[in-house]
Amino acid sequence: SQTIHQWPATLVQPVGSPLSLECTVEGTSNPNLYWYRQAAGRGLQLLFYSVGIGQISSEVPQNLSASRPQDRQFILSSKKLLLSDSGFYLCAWSGGLGTAYEQYFGPGTRLTVT
Amino acid sequence: DAKTTQPPSMDCAEGRAANLPCNHSTISGNEYVYWYRQIHSQGPQYIIHGLKNNETNEMASLIITEDRKSSTLILPHATLRDTAVYYCIASHNFNKFYFGSGTKLNVKP
Repeated sequence: SQTIHQWPATLVQPVGSPLSLECTVEGTSNPNLYWYRQAAGRGLQLLFYSVGIGQISSEVPQNLSASRPQDRQFILSSKKLLLSDSGFYLCAWSGGLGTAYEQYFGPGTRLTVT
Repeated sequence: DAKTTQPPSMDCAEGRAANLPCNHSTISGNEYVYWYRQIHSQGPQYIIHGLKNNETNEMASLIITEDRKSSTLILPHATLRDTAVYYCIASHNFNKFYFGSGTKLNVKP
């Protein structure tokens, strides 16, 4: 069966510090991968998605970046965090064309920028 | 993608059917309607999707009006575990889902 891991679960970082969040998927190959952010009490905002290694599409211009160094690894980074980067970060994956509408979400990382 | 409109919250008695409406009056012909739900502090979970025919699975039923301008998600026998935020999405590109504010469903004993 497929599983998705995210770490860390919680993170408190000062303004201006770097960020690296990691997401890995097991039990599937060539997944589509997604990064979302959810501010407190709000809906999910799509940040990045990837349909293959090295292929990243950015949905929202900001100080975040994403990379996909391996087929089942997706990394979200920032060189300098802003207060507005606080939120709940969710990684998700989906399968091939026949089932790509069904996204499976990880447990999330709760980031607080102080 | 078409914008969707949902009521911010709804209540439902345990054991009764929960009917969650969604308006997508600007939906285009190639856009599907997807429903997800998010239980507190977890990632969203896929429920069901459809194009123009009504759909049913083990979790819920989806009723889409003939003009496709609105739809209703039906949970036939709501339980306390169904308390969650329910998101209605209209999209032709499953790589770009827009999760709006959704409907907070409160199932009460």
